[in-house]
Amino acid sequence: QVQLVQSGSELKKPGASVKVSCKASGYTFTDYTLNWVRQAPGQGLEWMGWINTRSGNRMYAQVFRGRFVFSLDTSVTTAYLQISSLQAEDTAVYYCARQSGYGLDYWGQGTLVTVSS
Amino acid sequence: DIQMTQSPSSLSASVGDRVTITCRTSQGINNYLAWYQQKPGKVPKLLIYSASSLQSGVPSRFSGSGSGTDFTLTISSLQPEDVATYYCQKYDSALQTFGQGTKVDIK
Repeated sequence: QVQLVQSGSELKKPGASVKVSCKASGYTFTDYTLNWVRQAPGQGLEWMGWINTRSGNRMYAQVFRGRFVFSLDTSVTTAYLQISSLQAEDTAVYYCARQSGYGLDYWGQGTLVTVSS
Repeated sequence: DIQMTQSPSSLSASVGDRVTITCRTSQGINNYLAWYQQKPGKVPKLLIYSASSLQSGVPSRFSGSGSGTDFTLTISSLQPEDVATYYCQKYDSALQTFGQGTKVDIK
């Protein structure tokens, strides 16, 4: 069955970096684009962008250009989200989600990133 | 960028009521619209895609309609397990967006 399994919660200090992983299984990894979605505490879903798992092309929402980087390791069917220069406002749950062409059909369980001194 | 406006932001209804949530886009999106349900503390779940197609396994009391710039999610008979926040999402182009969300609870 299709699964997206994300890495565990992270507690980081302001200014640090974090790398969240999203391990895919149960389907051909390079057949589907992976999206990233942020949800701040008590807030709605915020689309961050996507990475094409076949070409490596990336698209970022305007507010996520700069400190946020999507990457891949196709040999282990894993996508990554790296956030640098962390700020308190980056505290959120980050989701990876598979794009089927008909919306986001499978989601990871989410990774809580907490930024606090 | 295409703007999305989802309404209402919250609603309270009785079990068995018909519930309607709307999503409006500032430009036509060729029906590339999806609806998601997020129960408290849970991962979002795809309910509807292509504006009106029901995702496999989703109860038939959920339906989507609309075209162009105006879209609707309807729950024909609200059940206690439908308490959740619902989001629309456009995916017509490389840049995607979620609506602001509608929190649904039981009166």
